[in-house]
Amino acid sequence: GAVVSQHPSWVICKSGTSVKIECRSLDFQATTMFWYRQFPKQSLMLMATSNEGSKATYEQGVEKDKFLINHASLTLSTLTVTSAHPEDSSFYICSAWTSGRSGELFFGEGSRLTVL
Amino acid sequence: DAKTTQPTSMDCAEGRAANLPCNHSTISGNEYVYWYRQIHSQGPQYIIHGLKNNETNEMASLIITEDRKSSTLILPHATLRDTAVYYCIVRDLNQAGTALIFGKGTTLSVSS
Repeated sequence: GAVVSQHPSWVICKSGTSVKIECRSLDFQATTMFWYRQFPKQSLMLMATSNEGSKATYEQGVEKDKFLINHASLTLSTLTVTSAHPEDSSFYICSAWTSGRSGELFFGEGSRLTVL
Repeated sequence: DAKTTQPTSMDCAEGRAANLPCNHSTISGNEYVYWYRQIHSQGPQYIIHGLKNNETNEMASLIITEDRKSSTLILPHATLRDTAVYYCIVRDLNQAGTALIFGKGTTLSVSS
């Protein structure tokens, strides 16, 4: 079946540094990918929609200058958390619909970011 | 705005059927019912989806009421590995390419 893969699965960084998380669709092309964030004991919250070859669309309250999204190819979207702070510590999850199939949205394994 | 209502938590004994309810009283004709689950510290996993007919796959069965205002996800023989948060989501397929919006889901605890 279709697989969406994220890297790294976990990362620890110092406050003020930037962290890049990659999301790849392994056996299908994804013109659109989605980035979610999940805090402990909470549900997934949609952050942004990543569109191949164009600017990402951010949800209300998500700072586009802090969470940089690049969707440079049909199989790769990246999320860069710039100048990370401890409150950015969270579980980041990407997802993509498989084109040509009826209705399955596949999710990556998630990337746990801890900012010290 | 939440389109679905689910119980916060449920318990189930290992080997028994787990029946997870979901209310979606405002569902429209173009909206499908999707079920996903999330095991701790993992990404959500697709389970099943349906429009109006009951559906079954290797993981579960989905029973949708005739008026489509509610549905039940059935795990026929729950195992400890089925312990997870289960999300019921409605989605309009006319909005192809849009994201799924997650509610709080039901935390299912399967015990031996």
